[in-house]
Amino acid sequence: DGGITQSPKYLFRKEGQNVTLSCEQNLNHDAMYWYRQDPGQGLRLIYYSQIVNDFQKGDIAEGYSVSREKKESFPLTVTSAQKNPTAFYLCASSPTWSSYEQYFGPGTRLTVT
Amino acid sequence: AQTVTQSQPEMSVQEAETVTLSCTYDTSESDYYLFWYKQPPSRQMILVIRQEAYKQQNATENRFSVNFQKAAKSFSLKISDSQLGDAAMYFCAYRSAGGSEKLVFGKGTKLTVNP
Repeated sequence: DGGITQSPKYLFRKEGQNVTLSCEQNLNHDAMYWYRQDPGQGLRLIYYSQIVNDFQKGDIAEGYSVSREKKESFPLTVTSAQKNPTAFYLCASSPTWSSYEQYFGPGTRLTVT
Repeated sequence: AQTVTQSQPEMSVQEAETVTLSCTYDTSESDYYLFWYKQPPSRQMILVIRQEAYKQQNATENRFSVNFQKAAKSFSLKISDSQLGDAAMYFCAYRSAGGSEKLVFGKGTKLTVNP
């Protein structure tokens, strides 16, 4: 089946540790996105990538890093510099960067204590 | 910068009844897209319906329809014949038609469906 997978569904880390969230898609989409969701808030864009080996900062990129070495993969690293990393993280993709529709993965809930 | 406002943090409806969720947005652009996404307890974001700003006709998808008022910058979602499975968070989102890949989301409305 075609789709977007994010693993794991729940992730726990100690404060001060970096952690990498996985996002894989087999839809052959060019563009991929990372969003953060906090309680009572809508989604906010962290990073996006229009094409392999290219990515751009979104609205809340501080404390995060990404890579896009393969078309199907767009991992997000939450670094120790991120002051409030506990949140729900959603990955999305779209056929091209200009496509208006984005398809979302199931999300990863990250808890940092 | 564009903003999206959902003024109803929570709404409830009786099963089989109709409910309308409100959304307003602020933009200086003339061409854009508007979306309603559903987020059930599983937290998977599901696209419910979309509207192109250049189209005057309101979009409809089965029991879901929108009332798009471009001049008023309003984009409400009507759910007819509400079902228990409609219970979810609903997010209104905006996307520019050119030059920006970003979806701008409202804070969401939690819909409860009472049996």
